[in-house]
Amino acid sequence: EAGVAQSPRYKIIEKRQSVAFWCNPISGHATLYWYQQILGQGPKLLIQFQNNGVVDDSQLPKDRFSAERLKGVDSTLKIQPAKLEDSAVYLCASSQQRGSYNSPLHFGNGTRLTVT
Amino acid sequence: GIQVEQSPPDLILQEGANSTLRCNFSDSVNNLQWFHQNPWGQLINLFYIPSGTKQNGRLSATTVATERYSLLYISSSQTTDSGVYFCAVLDSGYALNFGKGTSLLVTP
Repeated sequence: EAGVAQSPRYKIIEKRQSVAFWCNPISGHATLYWYQQILGQGPKLLIQFQNNGVVDDSQLPKDRFSAERLKGVDSTLKIQPAKLEDSAVYLCASSQQRGSYNSPLHFGNGTRLTVT
Repeated sequence: GIQVEQSPPDLILQEGANSTLRCNFSDSVNNLQWFHQNPWGQLINLFYIPSGTKQNGRLSATTVATERYSLLYISSSQTTDSGVYFCAVLDSGYALNFGKGTSLLVTP
């Protein structure tokens, strides 16, 4: 089974520029997550989708971050404008079911963003 | 949300040694997972273990849900075990809430 695919692998931008990340979850996985991992910390949830609907975006900085999951498959996460503190690894994950008792999370390799 | 605390924060082992990593959580959970993040940043799911004990090769995990903790055991450690181990629990929003991790370095 193919894993969670993410691109690009690395991105360097200047502050105030915009950037977009792409994620393709494991086939058949209904739930998709975007996490932000700052160096030295655990991943922090930004947004969760169930099919193409948003379940939880309470920790998404909506003034600059946006995300969508059209057709309930691929997802994009955008930052506009970027700030220095957005430098982090952005991880996409998927699971078969939402909050299922036996539904492990599978992560992509992440996109490492550096804002200068 | 549920607070997740992991200990120790850092650990250095010689190859062949055994270790125990601990995860405490502040409320009852019905979904707890252990992950290994390798030096290249890839997060691998090790165990889904809301309660009881599971074993996978040299790794095993035990969760005592009534006492709100989970343990990850690594036996006969190898250099490839190096990385960061995360415990994550399901919060009320149906998303995993991660601890800060235990950074493990296994030396030859």
